[in-house]
Amino acid sequence: DQQVKQNSPSLSVQEGRISILNCDYTNSMFDYFLWYKKYPAEGPTFLISISSIKDKNEDGRFTVFLNKSAKHLSLHIVPSQPGDSAVYFCAASRRNKYIFGTGTRLKVLA
Amino acid sequence: DARVTQTPRHKVTEMGQEVTMRCQPILGHNTVFWYRQTMMQGLELLAYFRNRAPLDDSGMPKDRFSAEMPDATLATLKIQPSEPRDSAVYFCASGLVIGGTEAFFGQGTRLTVV
Repeated sequence: DQQVKQNSPSLSVQEGRISILNCDYTNSMFDYFLWYKKYPAEGPTFLISISSIKDKNEDGRFTVFLNKSAKHLSLHIVPSQPGDSAVYFCAASRRNKYIFGTGTRLKVLA
Repeated sequence: DARVTQTPRHKVTEMGQEVTMRCQPILGHNTVFWYRQTMMQGLELLAYFRNRAPLDDSGMPKDRFSAEMPDATLATLKIQPSEPRDSAVYFCASGLVIGGTEAFFGQGTRLTVV
């Protein structure tokens, strides 16, 4: 039973454009949501998070939006850069137990 | 430079052999997670510890996997006996996971069971 789903395995975007990565979840009790980025042969690294009591959090080029009624969150990267090419995982937390999605591979084309 | 350290980075073993993966969490972190990365499941939570006590290992195949934290500086994940389907990258992560703060990942152990 996949509680956190990333339905797009891959995404290609032109450099300078917006990248939008999506994530859906099933458990309304999750209290925090996080995005991680992963390069090949490295561990995932934290990007940005959002509390379930907020609907938006922004950090530089990265913005996370949370729609609790739809149980959906998205990560926006603007502008996208070739260095953003990586696998992106969303994660949901309840009582500090982190459940991850299957990941979306983003490719930013120069 | 505080980081989570995992050893070994790579392990090739024959089916039926015991495998032990080790993790040194960041000093002061109270929570340690073990994840397995597969193509189909993404990052799959196997087990996690809070203040060295196991909180949840429901993601682990109980008959062959075991996770322990003998002290605050060492977490271990053992597979005995190993099977080809266990081939994956295993990640350890640690954090002071209060209020949604992030967990920090190690570089992983790539396990190949032949």
